[in-house]
Amino acid sequence: AQKVTQAQTEISVVEKEDVTLDCVYETRDTTYYLFWYKQPPSGELVFLIRRNSFDEQNEISGRYSWNFQKSTSSFNFTITASQVVDSAVYFCALRNSGYALNFGKGTSLLVTP
Amino acid sequence: EPEVTQTPSHQVTQMGQEVILRCVPISNHLYFYWYRQILGQKVEFLVSFYNNEISEKSEIFDDQFSVERPDGSNFTLKIRSTKLEDSAMYFCASSEAGFSYEQYFGPGTRLTVT
Repeated sequence: AQKVTQAQTEISVVEKEDVTLDCVYETRDTTYYLFWYKQPPSGELVFLIRRNSFDEQNEISGRYSWNFQKSTSSFNFTITASQVVDSAVYFCALRNSGYALNFGKGTSLLVTP
Repeated sequence: EPEVTQTPSHQVTQMGQEVILRCVPISNHLYFYWYRQILGQKVEFLVSFYNNEISEKSEIFDDQFSVERPDGSNFTLKIRSTKLEDSAMYFCASSEAGFSYEQYFGPGTRLTVT
């Protein structure tokens, strides 16, 4: 069985604060892929990052960074110096032996000026 | 930048009616998917499609649902007899290849069943 848990339902921060969105996953497979997607208020799903189970290197892309730790089955997402445009629902997703993306319930991030 | 498109953006239908949701995947992509998101809930997988056949489907994808690639560009989801609980946002996605590749999502079709 596979499962993705995003324990934070809603987070509210003030602009320029750093914020970390947590993602914990469960899978029995040794080969799997983890993803983050952003869903802004307009509703579309925007791909942010893919990480495979054999690559535990952290990744940084501008103000975004991701921390993958197999030992704790976590794939956390940090936004540095948050901006109002970062306000969205963020989904973590897991894909192992099949084609389906298994999404977490999402974390709603609100960044206020 | 290539993107997945979906039509219509919003569809209202009466319970028991058939609906067809349309998608144009990214042109060089080979794998196609449908997901749905009931309002306020997580995104759920429905079906994946490759080489003109279903490669995987979820428990949600029962006999009321079908998918088709009627030509070289379109990918459709048909719901034969809609129910109130089919009201949701339906997302089409595509990927270059299978397992290891990211899926790119369209903007969604909001289906409202009355």
